[in-house]
Amino acid sequence: DGGITQSPKYLFRKEGQNVTLSCEQNLNHDAMYWYRQDPGQGLRLIYYSQIVNDFQKGDIAEGYSVSREKKESFPLTVTSAQKNPTAFYLCASSIWQGMNTEAFFGQGTRLTVV
Amino acid sequence: AQSVAQPEDQVNVAEGNPLTVKCTYSVSGNPYLFWYVQYPNRGLQFLLKYITGDNLVKGSYGFEAEFNKSQTSFHLKKPSALVSDSALYFCAVIPNRGSYIPTFGRGTSLIVHP
Repeated sequence: DGGITQSPKYLFRKEGQNVTLSCEQNLNHDAMYWYRQDPGQGLRLIYYSQIVNDFQKGDIAEGYSVSREKKESFPLTVTSAQKNPTAFYLCASSIWQGMNTEAFFGQGTRLTVV
Repeated sequence: AQSVAQPEDQVNVAEGNPLTVKCTYSVSGNPYLFWYVQYPNRGLQFLLKYITGDNLVKGSYGFEAEFNKSQTSFHLKKPSALVSDSALYFCAVIPNRGSYIPTFGRGTSLIVHP
């Protein structure tokens, strides 16, 4: 069953702690994305990756880091430098070019600072 | 830079009535346009897309959207709303030239009253 899986669904972070959000896809997509969703602000792009071993900053990359060592995996680390990390995080994947570029999303991870 | 505007934060409609969720975009060239739906605490689901051809596109769950190039709009419509259509709806655009990263609108909350 093809899809994109995020884990965990809920995550709690203490002040000064780094946490890593997992994102795995078995759709054979080249492109993967991380978005942050805050109420009333829509989706804001954190990082994206077109291909393995390459990734680019999005609009709000400060305080976040990613890696793309495998095509299937695109983990996001929220570092202690991110001052307001409480949000809903969405991972997505897609074909990079062509007519079938609709994005497939995971179920999201809700991160809360405690 | 491309942008997407969803001018209404919330749309209210009675069950059985037609619904429209508005979207306008700003991007050069011939973009790809998308609609997605999000239920509470879930990821986004793809509804429909416009790539080329007929200006009226049909998608999942009885939704359709009309592409209007002169007005740079891509409004989502449904002839008869259901209570179960209540959700958050996002419009997205891909420039289809140079960058293939989707840009999302802020979202419109659709509330269908019984």
